[in-house]
Amino acid sequence: EVQLVESGGGFVEPGESLRLSCATSGFTFSKAWLSWVRQAPGKGLEWVGRIKSKADGGTTDYAAPVKGRFTISRDDSREILYMQMNSLKTEDTAIYYCATGNPFDYWGQGTLVTVSS
Amino acid sequence: DIVMTQSPDSLAVSLGERATINCKSSQSVLYASNNNNYLAWYQHKPGQPPKLLIYWASTRESGVPDRFSGSGSGTDFTLTISGLQAEDVAVYYCQQYYTTPFTFGPGTKVDI
Repeated sequence: EVQLVESGGGFVEPGESLRLSCATSGFTFSKAWLSWVRQAPGKGLEWVGRIKSKADGGTTDYAAPVKGRFTISRDDSREILYMQMNSLKTEDTAIYYCATGNPFDYWGQGTLVTVSS
Repeated sequence: DIVMTQSPDSLAVSLGERATINCKSSQSVLYASNNNNYLAWYQHKPGQPPKLLIYWASTRESGVPDRFSGSGSGTDFTLTISGLQAEDVAVYYCQQYYTTPFTFGPGTKVDI
């Protein structure tokens, strides 16, 4: 059974940092392309960024609002996906989901990030 | 960036009736070399993660009831729920995965 479990969310002030983790099991992590998707309160879904498998270059792509502030990485030995979020803004407040594949066939339950002064 | 639009914003359908949701992309998501439309549909219920329903515009994900169907090509797509059930109340999103940044439509809320 495929499982993705996000953690690391919380309450921070603008300008601070957080690192989200997504622990996975049940699929071949090293071959997977993985994304982060968020949903701000009362808003729709927004793709945040993606990391390809190392075999496909391991490259990352980001949405414009987070480019230069967020960094996605992966630990294939531990089967964990990460997202380092720096210089957080109030508009980054959202539930953050990790998801596999392209399109996104498996999702975690999400972790809430609240950025407020 | 490819902009995705959906219509209507919301709709109310009687149990057992048909719900139709339209999605349009600002440019074609049909990849000529494989003739696939890089268009997916998701169902999102409160308190749950989104669920993939349809990919390649018309291929139903494993386990998805056959009352859900997708159609369209190029820039215009449709999700049809034939015979709406109470458990289908949700917000439905289309999404293009043709190119990054991947983009979602604004969502369509389906109610009874």
